[in-house]
Amino acid sequence: KAGVTQTPRYLIKTRGQQVTLSCSPISGHRSVSWYQQTPGQGLQFLFEYFSETQRNKGNFPGRFSGRQFSNSRSEMNVSTLELGDSALYLCASSLVPGLAATDTQYFGPGTRLTVL
Amino acid sequence: SQQGEEDPQALSIQEGENATMNCSYKTSINNLQWYRQNSGRGLVHLILIRSNEREKHSGRLRVTLDTSKKSSSLLITASRAADTASYFCATEANYGGSQGNLIFGKGTKLSVKP
Repeated sequence: KAGVTQTPRYLIKTRGQQVTLSCSPISGHRSVSWYQQTPGQGLQFLFEYFSETQRNKGNFPGRFSGRQFSNSRSEMNVSTLELGDSALYLCASSLVPGLAATDTQYFGPGTRLTVL
Repeated sequence: SQQGEEDPQALSIQEGENATMNCSYKTSINNLQWYRQNSGRGLVHLILIRSNEREKHSGRLRVTLDTSKKSSSLLITASRAADTASYFCATEANYGGSQGNLIFGKGTKLSVKP
């Protein structure tokens, strides 16, 4: 079974631009979560999608958004990029939401975003 | 703020030695998980221990949980160079809009020298 895939793996943007990252969950998994990882703040939860609906959202500004498609693939978008948005963005999938506490979330390799 | 805090932040040992990492958390939990991350890559799930468990083993890994002290430890026995990675503990969020998702500590960076 293929794992979680994320595209692109690396991305360089400039301040003010917007970016879209993509995540394909493990086949059969319907919940997708996004995390941001930076050296200063560590791993922080962005949001979770299930059945094309945002189920949970972390403490991030409205510039960060996402969506999920009917095939469970998810995208996240960051508008008006700032230098501080430079980070590794990780996507994780699980069978259904709310099981993170009792089941495993499977992580993708991440997208490394650099904002210049 | 982070739910889990790992200690030490960095650990350097020789191959064959044991490595112990500790994690403290703030609120009551249903379970605690440990993940490994190789440099700048995705997270790999290592082990999950439930709040009613005190110890769990998986291969060379041993995890303990002390809910009275709100702490957990991860022991890697007979370490190998391939164990070089960052190790994170994670607990479930149980507040606001983040219920059910993971909150990570800042991790312990383990370096195993051949």
